[in-house]
Amino acid sequence: TQLLEQSPQFLSIQEGENLTVYCNSSSVFSSLQWYRQEPGEGPVLLVTVVTGGEVKKLKRLTFQFGDARKDSSLHITAAQTGDTGLYLCAGDDGRTDKLIFGTGTRLQVFP
Amino acid sequence: DAMVIQNPRYQVTQFGKPVTLSCSQTLNHNVMYWYQQKSSQAPKLLFHYYDKDFNNEADTPDNFQSRRPNTSFCFLDIRSPGLGDAAMYLCATSRDLAGGFNEQFFGPGTRLTVL
Repeated sequence: TQLLEQSPQFLSIQEGENLTVYCNSSSVFSSLQWYRQEPGEGPVLLVTVVTGGEVKKLKRLTFQFGDARKDSSLHITAAQTGDTGLYLCAGDDGRTDKLIFGTGTRLQVFP
Repeated sequence: DAMVIQNPRYQVTQFGKPVTLSCSQTLNHNVMYWYQQKSSQAPKLLFHYYDKDFNNEADTPDNFQSRRPNTSFCFLDIRSPGLGDAAMYLCATSRDLAGGFNEQFFGPGTRLTVL
């Protein structure tokens, strides 16, 4: 069974701080996605990483896919209150129509 | 704008009273998914359609059924809701995977309350 473990599970920080969320698995994925979900809304796709070692930037967010395509990280620089939400990584095994979702990281950014 | 729409956003039903949740999409995607999400947990896949082909997850209770009358619409029927079925229900779509990645686009969800 493929599993994606995220850490930390919860993160509470003040505006302006930096943070990193990790997404780890023992399985190889053909691609991996990061979503942010705000309370009461559906997840919104932030980025898809495909190539081992790939780094993608989205404003203050930096996403990295591990060289072996088994893990990924999300780094947020100078967090803002608008970054608050549930961050989910999701892996695509490239064989089925399904995504394997990570366990989630709930981020709270205080002013 | 192309999007995934879910109606209603909030649904209250009584224990045992059938309820139907709807999802529509203007993305013209082949694949449509229904997920159940409980508080602060990852979405749990219930089933999905690849075009008209229905794929049920092994651990999805028989209480949950789905219909996809055409490409744009998909319905989730809960035949006899129990208190444990109170959750956020998410619909998602993705396009044909041939040569592409399984990027899923989610609707805003329907929050189901069971009294």
